Amino acid sequence: AQRVTQPEKLLSVFKGAPVELKCNYSYSGSPELFWYVQYSRQRLQLLLRHISRESIKGFTADLNKGETSFHLKKPFAQEEDSAMYYCALKAGGTSYGKLTFGQGTILTVHP
Amino acid sequence: KAGVTQTPRYLIKTRGQQVTLSCSPISGHRSVSWYQQTPGQGLQFLFEYFSETQRNKGNFPGRFSGRQFSNSRSEMNVSTLELGDSALYLCASQTGGSEAKNIQYFGAGTRLSVL
Repeated sequence: AQRVTQPEKLLSVFKGAPVELKCNYSYSGSPELFWYVQYSRQRLQLLLRHISRESIKGFTADLNKGETSFHLKKPFAQEEDSAMYYCALKAGGTSYGKLTFGQGTILTVHP
Repeated sequence: KAGVTQTPRYLIKTRGQQVTLSCSPISGHRSVSWYQQTPGQGLQFLFEYFSETQRNKGNFPGRFSGRQFSNSRSEMNVSTLELGDSALYLCASQTGGSEAKNIQYFGAGTRLSVL
C-alpha cells in the first residue's frame, strides 16, 4: 500500500523568504506525484504535477526517487501563497482515479 | 466550462438515517472519485466510478456506496449514519483515460453533520 507523509502541519515564513514544503512517500512502483492547494474558501485545485516539470506561481517540485520525496519549493514567498497544501500520489497499474493524500501543510506567509 | 458541481452544499442528519450526495462532473469527464475529508484523518479515498462501473474502492465499510449514471453524474449513499461520518465529502472528476492530461478536478464539497 502507498503512503504520503507531510511532516509539517504548520509552516510560517515571512514575505520574500524561501519556502519548502516537505513531502515523502512510500510506494514500491513508479508513482505519479501531485501538489494540490486549497486557498481560503476555495475548492481544492491542482498546483503542479511531477510529470509536467513546470513552475506554477513560482513553485517547483522535483521528484527524488532515491529519497522518495517530492518537496515543494518557492524562492520568494508571497502573502497570497498562504493556503493549505496537499501532496498526493497516484500509484501505477489500475489506480486510475485514486489519489492518496498527505495530511496537508498550512502555509502562512507573514507581511 | 462548468466545474464539478456537488449538491447539496450542507446537510444535517441524525444517527441511523441515510443520506445521498450528488456530483455532476465536468462535461466530457467519465470518471468520478469520492473522498472523505476530516480534521483527524485528512482526505481519504472512498471509491471511483468510470462508465457506470466502480473501478476502485477505498477502505470504508459497506454502509458507504455509490453509483454512476449514463450521463456520468454520480451519487454516493451512506446508510445508518454514525457520528463519525460527519465530514466534508468531496468529489473529483477526470476524463478517465490514461492520457497525460488526465487530472482530477474537485468540487466544493458537501458538508455532512450527523447529530
